[in-house]
Parts: sequence; structure tokens; C-alpha cells
Amino acid sequence: DAGVIQSPRHEVTEMGQEVTLRCKPISGHDYLFWYRQTMMRGLELLIYFNNNVPIDDSGMPEDRFSAKMPNASFSTLKIQPSEPRDSAVYFCASSPLYQGGNQPQHFGDGTRLSIL
Amino acid sequence: QKEVEQNSGPLSVPEGAIASLNCTYSDRGSQSFFWYRQYSGKSPELIMFIYSNGDKEDGRFTAQLNKASQYVSLLIRDSQPSDSATYLCAVTSSGNTGKLIFGQGTTLQVKP
Repeated sequence: DAGVIQSPRHEVTEMGQEVTLRCKPISGHDYLFWYRQTMMRGLELLIYFNNNVPIDDSGMPEDRFSAKMPNASFSTLKIQPSEPRDSAVYFCASSPLYQGGNQPQHFGDGTRLSIL
Repeated sequence: QKEVEQNSGPLSVPEGAIASLNCTYSDRGSQSFFWYRQYSGKSPELIMFIYSNGDKEDGRFTAQLNKASQYVSLLIRDSQPSDSATYLCAVTSSGNTGKLIFGQGTTLQVKP
């Protein structure tokens, strides 16, 4: 089975540029999650979707961040304009339909983002 | 703020010993509990989940859950240097949201 697929694996860009991160969840999974991980703050949930609908975006740091899920097999996380403090590893994860709370999330390999 | 607390470590154990990793959580409505292992530079990888009080064993790993005390632990028997990683505890958020709350992780070092 193919796991969660993220692209690109690494992104280095200059401050002020638009950054787009991509994610393909595991086929059949109903939930998709975007996380950011830094040494200082650990793993933070940014936003998650259920059946392509955003459910909770309270973790999105500011209006520069946006996420979409146009269909069940694709999601994007955009940062515009990017800033050096956005440098982090961004993970996408997916899980099956929530049934009594015992459905684990499966993570992609992540995108290591560096904003210069 | 619903939280998951872990000792950041590092926890250092000799090869062959039992490593004990602990986690407490604040949300009494949490129903399921997960342990993820994360090697440096890699993504979190699920190693165990538990949702009933008591112990659950899988190979060298045992997860323990005590909902009354809001406490989850992971025991690793016969620790190997390859077990050296950060271990993340995650619990479901109450309200059937599908959302997980992660702890900051405990770094385990197994010394040969």
C-alpha cells in the first residue's frame, strides 16, 4: 500500500516568496491533517479536513497560511508571503473514518522548509 | 488547554535493559492512546495503540493505560541501540473529532 505522499521533500526559498506544499493521503482515508514541527514548539496541528471539508483551522498561525483539499486524493498548504520563522518540517497525515477513537494517523515523510 | 505531558529526557538506558516512557494527559474524555517513534530527520511512525485500561503487548513493546490516573506508559524490553529515538505520546481529543493531541516527546538513548 502506498503511504501518505508529500512533495517536495525539501524546499529552500527566499523570504516573501509563495510556498506550496502538497499531500496525497492514503486512499480511502477520510481525515487529512497538516502539522508543523520545530524543536521549540514540537508537533503542532495546523488544520485538518474530514471528507475534504476543513474542520478545525485554529492552529493556522496567521492569514499568510491557507490550506485546501479540492478532492479526496490531494491537499495543499500555502504560505504567502513566506517568512524565516516559517522554517520547519511540515507533515501531512491521514486516518480512516473515526470510529470510537481507535484510528491511528499515518504520516508522510514531511517537507523540510527553509526560508532565507 | 488540553495537554499531553511527557518528560523530554534524554532517558538513557544500557542495551538489554527495560526502558520506561511515561505520559499524562488532561482530557478525561480521551478514548484512544498512541505511541509514535520518530527517528532524527524522519516522520513519526506508529508503534502501539491502546484504548482499554490495562496492558497491551506487542513483541518487545508493552503499552499500559490507567484512565483513572490519566496515565499512559510504554515499556521497551531488551532495549537495543536501534530503539534510540524520540517517542511521542498522542491521545484522541474528546468529542469524536478524529483529532490527536501530541506530547512533546521523550528522547531515548540506548547505550551499547
